[in-house]
Amino acid sequence: QSALTQPASVSGSPGQSITISCTGTSSDVGSYNLVSWYQQHPGKAPKVMIYEGNKRPSGVSNRFSGSKSGNTASLTISGLQAEDEADYYCCSYAGGGTWVFGGGTKLTVL
Amino acid sequence: QVQLQQSGPGLVKPSQTLSLTCAISGDSVSSDSAAWSWIRQSPWRGLEWLGRTYYRSRWYNDYATSVKSRIMISADTSKNHLSLQMNSVTPEDTAVYYCVLGGIAVAGTYNWFDPWGQGTLVTVSS
Repeated sequence: QSALTQPASVSGSPGQSITISCTGTSSDVGSYNLVSWYQQHPGKAPKVMIYEGNKRPSGVSNRFSGSKSGNTASLTISGLQAEDEADYYCCSYAGGGTWVFGGGTKLTVL
Repeated sequence: QVQLQQSGPGLVKPSQTLSLTCAISGDSVSSDSAAWSWIRQSPWRGLEWLGRTYYRSRWYNDYATSVKSRIMISADTSKNHLSLQMNSVTPEDTAVYYCVLGGIAVAGTYNWFDPWGQGTLVTVSS
């Protein structure tokens, strides 16, 4: 159960789009359509933004979208806003009843 | 709307047992569609899923390999509580611990983690 690999940081200007990658293996991301993405602001608990790879919970902006190709999942945020500045984590089912998270990506809105 | 309220000590001595509870409101711990997980977060390990429990005619548990030999997650249906016990703790177990609704690997239901409890900072130190 090794952690999924995410870039440590990404940045973008307001209005731009950014993409955060999440690389796993054929035992987790590659095998299941059960990738979720979480947004975490400082001092707060994580909040789910995407589940099952590309589905948005009620109340989450349609500026957030998810996709997957092979062993890599991606989170795209379009029309960046200042409030999007946060840490983002991916998570995947890893089989055997277990789950694995990514190391997290710090998004800076310039 | 499910709400999770955690309680437990914030300081545990090395080699002792970490014990946390999570009071659930808005759903039943023995719900036949939900799962309840514990997740921790530390600067050196990031977010780490520790384990889950769920009820489907009987109780099931799954644990992360990294803590499997030291951890127990249980449910108290009379109090609608979830509990975490981790023994033989070391300073590396210092983290914010969260109880969370979710962790079922079935499309369309609870295969995400939300909501989260408020988090409990547990420091392992003598």
